[in-house]
Amino acid sequence: EAGVTQSPTHLIKTRGQQVTLRCSPISGHTSVYWYQQALGLGLQFLLWYDEGEERNRGNFPPRFSGRQFPNYSSELNVNALELEDSALYLCASSLAGGVGIYSNQPQHFGDGTRLSIL
Amino acid sequence: AQKVTQAQTEISVVEKEDVTLDCVYETRDTTYYLFWYKQPPSGELVFLIRRNSFDEQNEISGRYSWNFQKSTSSFNFTITASQVVDSAVYFCALSEARRTSGSRLTFGEGTQLTVNP
Repeated sequence: EAGVTQSPTHLIKTRGQQVTLRCSPISGHTSVYWYQQALGLGLQFLLWYDEGEERNRGNFPPRFSGRQFPNYSSELNVNALELEDSALYLCASSLAGGVGIYSNQPQHFGDGTRLSIL
Repeated sequence: AQKVTQAQTEISVVEKEDVTLDCVYETRDTTYYLFWYKQPPSGELVFLIRRNSFDEQNEISGRYSWNFQKSTSSFNFTITASQVVDSAVYFCALSEARRTSGSRLTFGEGTQLTVNP
């Protein structure tokens, strides 16, 4: 079974530019999560997509956005890049929960995209 | 608000030693889930275990064991007879069982474990 795949692996951008990161979930997984792992800030939740809809977002400005496609793959877009956006961006996928309440299925992570802002 | 604390930033041991990684959490919910992930130098987070708040039984998987104690809000992880391949950053994480947040994880700061030969 193929795991979560992310592209590109590495990316170098300059301040003010825009970037798109891509994620393909494990087959059968409908939920996609994005996390940022910046030096000194740890792993922080960015966005959660399920069944094509944005369900929840973390404490990040609106210039961080994304979407989920009908095949459950996802894109993370970051506009007006700033130096502090330099980080490892991790995508994770999980099965959706059961009826009535999400059952917090384990998330499985990709290798991440390392974004460097010059 | 929920919070996860891993007080040990770095731990260094010699191969075959046992090592325990500490995790303390805070949440107002009665239903929640706890996780441990391993992050080797390659960067990918590897899922190790999930526990729900109603199951306080300790778990053992090979050289790995987990001790969950609600009374102290702790979910500690022990590696027995450590090996060099265990060297990685280990993260403890918490998620609340809410429809609006799904499986959104709150991570601790991580513990860098180095196992020396």
